[in-house]
Amino acid sequence: DGGITQSPKYLFRKEGQNVTLSCEQNLNHDAMYWYRQDPGQGLRLIYYSQIVNDFQKGDIAEGYSVSREKKESFPLTVTSAQKNPTAFYLCASSTTDRVDGYTFGSGTRLTVV
Amino acid sequence: AQSVTQLGSHVSVSEGALVLLRCNYSSSVPPYLFWYVQYPNQGLQLLLKYTTGATLVKGINGFEAEFKKSETSFHLTKPSAHMSDAAEYFCAVSGFSGGYNKLIFGAGTRLAVHP
Repeated sequence: DGGITQSPKYLFRKEGQNVTLSCEQNLNHDAMYWYRQDPGQGLRLIYYSQIVNDFQKGDIAEGYSVSREKKESFPLTVTSAQKNPTAFYLCASSTTDRVDGYTFGSGTRLTVV
Repeated sequence: AQSVTQLGSHVSVSEGALVLLRCNYSSSVPPYLFWYVQYPNQGLQLLLKYTTGATLVKGINGFEAEFKKSETSFHLTKPSAHMSDAAEYFCAVSGFSGGYNKLIFGAGTRLAVHP
């Protein structure tokens, strides 16, 4: 079955460390997205990509970086510049047709230790 | 521009009671509307969507929603709540921004179901 796979499910980061969250989809979707979710704050857009080798900043891109070298993959790096990285991270993908909505992965919970 | 307002960040119902989660939207173009459900530590799952046609939309798990253009609303209902319905629910409206398929989410409503 087609879908989005996020890994790992749980991730622990030490202070000052960069970590990379994986997101892979086999839905043949052109667009991919990263969201951050904190308790009581809903979903906040970090980065999005509409096509390979192109991506744009969302509302809270500071301290994060992404790449889109393949259509299927959109990894997110949480850098040491992100001062409060503990959160639940969600990856999503979509077609370019707004009638379809988004398909979400199961999320990665990142904790700073 | 598009926006979504979900009235009530927390809703609590008894098992077997009616579930009503409220969503109002604003949109400068004909709206496409979505409801998603999120269980703890999981991603969002599509419950139902309205694009065009019939304004009463049926989704999974016995949920339905009615698009009311005059009220700019898309409230989610279920006749009889089950314990397994306890989750967070997000309403969303679809638009375009800078040429990309942009989904604007409400802040979410956490549904609690008690015996």
